[in-house]
Amino acid sequence: QKEVEQNSGPLSVPEGAIASLNCTYSDRGSQSFFWYRQYSGKSPELIMSIYSNGDKEDGRFTAQLNKASQYVSLLIRDSQPSDSATYLCAVISRTSYDKVIFGPGTSLSVIP
Amino acid sequence: EAGVTQFPSHSVIEKGQTVTLRCDPISGHDNLYWYRRVMGKEIKFLLHFVKESKQDESGMPNNRFLAERTGGTYSTLKVQPAELEDSGVYFCASSHVQETQYFGPGTRLLVL
Repeated sequence: QKEVEQNSGPLSVPEGAIASLNCTYSDRGSQSFFWYRQYSGKSPELIMSIYSNGDKEDGRFTAQLNKASQYVSLLIRDSQPSDSATYLCAVISRTSYDKVIFGPGTSLSVIP
Repeated sequence: EAGVTQFPSHSVIEKGQTVTLRCDPISGHDNLYWYRRVMGKEIKFLLHFVKESKQDESGMPNNRFLAERTGGTYSTLKVQPAELEDSGVYFCASSHVQETQYFGPGTRLLVL
């Protein structure tokens, strides 16, 4: 089992719709969770971090964390073509010096 | 505030040669991380510096890779001798606290 899993996609949504990105992780001791956005050929850009169970909203983005289910998600409301990118779920493991473990990423395409 | 910078942006070398990658973290960030993404795979942790000390080097693939951070400022990652499977994108990230990591643009390494 991979430590962080994501559907690779591509996920296609029409402009203005809600995009839902999902991630599961295997280490129950994980405490910190991140969503990075990566445009093709560019570096990962942090868009959300979440540490407690529940929802965290920042503009059009909402991160949701459920530690009991070892599940974290990212919702993008009013999706725009500029949101088209690969979204990386990342988890900090407490089992080995806080290193960040990345999922494989989900490719999102927002269709105008 | 200047972001994380990496040099070179691209490197093409032959198998058996040596390549040195450089990372300049954000000023004041004690934590510096190296990651690698090989084609089709997820971003993988290589190692973590706190100032000039190696906090965690569990992700270094083998002894052909040597990372240094003399003086606790910039870091270098040397691959000697390079092998075909070393091709990929090498990212550097830095953080002030061990949570939010800011990524550099990456160095794209191709070993022929």
